[in-house]
Amino acid sequence: KNQVEQSPQSLIILEGKNCTLQCNYTVSPFSNLRWYKQDTGRGPVSLTIMTFSENTKSNGRYTATLDADTKQSSLHITASQLSDSASYICVVRTTGANNLFFGTGTRLTVIP
Amino acid sequence: NAGVMQNPRHLVRRRGQEARLRCSPMKGHSHVYWYRQLPEEGLKFMVYLQKENIIDESGMPKERFSAEFPKEGPSILRIQQVVRGDSAAYFCASSPSAGTGDGYTFGSGTRLTVV
Repeated sequence: KNQVEQSPQSLIILEGKNCTLQCNYTVSPFSNLRWYKQDTGRGPVSLTIMTFSENTKSNGRYTATLDADTKQSSLHITASQLSDSASYICVVRTTGANNLFFGTGTRLTVIP
Repeated sequence: NAGVMQNPRHLVRRRGQEARLRCSPMKGHSHVYWYRQLPEEGLKFMVYLQKENIIDESGMPKERFSAEFPKEGPSILRIQQVVRGDSAAYFCASSPSAGTGDGYTFGSGTRLTVV
């Protein structure tokens, strides 16, 4: 069964600290993996897209890693800001036209 | 480029009424996807449409729900005889071509509340 699981479910950190969010998936065959940021009341916005051959990809203070062998990904946020408070969703794509599998997200709260 | 536009942002309907949710894809995008997000849950795929065609509706309930993407105008997700369980956020995404590669963009969603 194709599944995407994220941990932790929620996380509270102090402003300026780093944090790492985890994503494990069983989706197969694998095409790519995306991390999205979803602010409250908004649609998801893409942060990174990683293919099978990519191990690390950065977008500003966001760094995603992918281990296709163990089917794990992480999203590392450096020097967190209050505006990082949001849900972070891991999405895995298989081959085919309509083929996105969504995790339930990690709810990150950054406090001053 | 205004992005994917969804309206209304919030919609309140009484049980038994009809709900119509609209999605205007990004300029140049001819593929539209609808998702539903229940509170504290992930997005769940409902339906994938191209202009005038439904490509995949495997995630859409067989009864009361329908979707269209006419040649002119926005895509419409229609829910007839709404029930409390239909209360959710409905998101639309669009892409310039088939599949979900780069350029796949979400709208801000419509929050449906059934009272």
